[in-house]
Amino acid sequence: GDSVTQMEGPVTLSEEAFLTINCTYTATGYPSLFWYVQYPGEGLQLLLKATKADDKGSNKGFEATYRKETTSFHLEKGSVQVSDSAVYFCALRNQGGSEKLVFGKGTKLTVNP
Amino acid sequence: NAGVTQTPKFQVLKTGQSMTLQCAQDMNHEYMSWYRQDPGMGLRLIHYSVGAGITDQGEVPNGYNVSRSTTEDFPLRLLSAAPSQTSVYFCASSYSMYGDSPLHFGNGTRLTVT
Repeated sequence: GDSVTQMEGPVTLSEEAFLTINCTYTATGYPSLFWYVQYPGEGLQLLLKATKADDKGSNKGFEATYRKETTSFHLEKGSVQVSDSAVYFCALRNQGGSEKLVFGKGTKLTVNP
Repeated sequence: NAGVTQTPKFQVLKTGQSMTLQCAQDMNHEYMSWYRQDPGMGLRLIHYSVGAGITDQGEVPNGYNVSRSTTEDFPLRLLSAAPSQTSVYFCASSYSMYGDSPLHFGNGTRLTVT
């Protein structure tokens, strides 16, 4: 079945450091790919998405590119801030229709001043 | 613009008690779902609905019931609470179950069963 694997955390960075969180997927067909962010005590919020190969999703300085050849959707940010501290989830949904998003286990990011 | 609203935010139950977690959305979304989030397990789908009057089971439906009498509301009922149901519950909706429809999440209900 469909699955998402993302790097285990926790990840601890200093402010202004470069961030990469790796995400790879296994899916039948051509899924849509998503990154969600969860701040403490809150629900998941959509951060960015990409719906086809070579699409780049971007939001709030975060970027991820849909790489079909490597089945990857790595999350990057050039300069992280303390306010980016959160748990990040990679997810996919089958384009043909699916009752659910398939989520990775989440990566906790802590950014220190 | 409320989005997805869940109540209550916190709840403590004794084993064997029943309760209903409320979920309402104001985005006219056809698709609604319930997930539970447990440490090390990620998010798992409990039940979902593709429209009023239609519900179906997800990965972990045992011990839970749902109904969808209106487009806006999708309550989750715990029939007889067990400690294994201690978790954070999220309601989520999207305009469809296809392709690029992202899920919109509520802020969650943290449930403890003693």
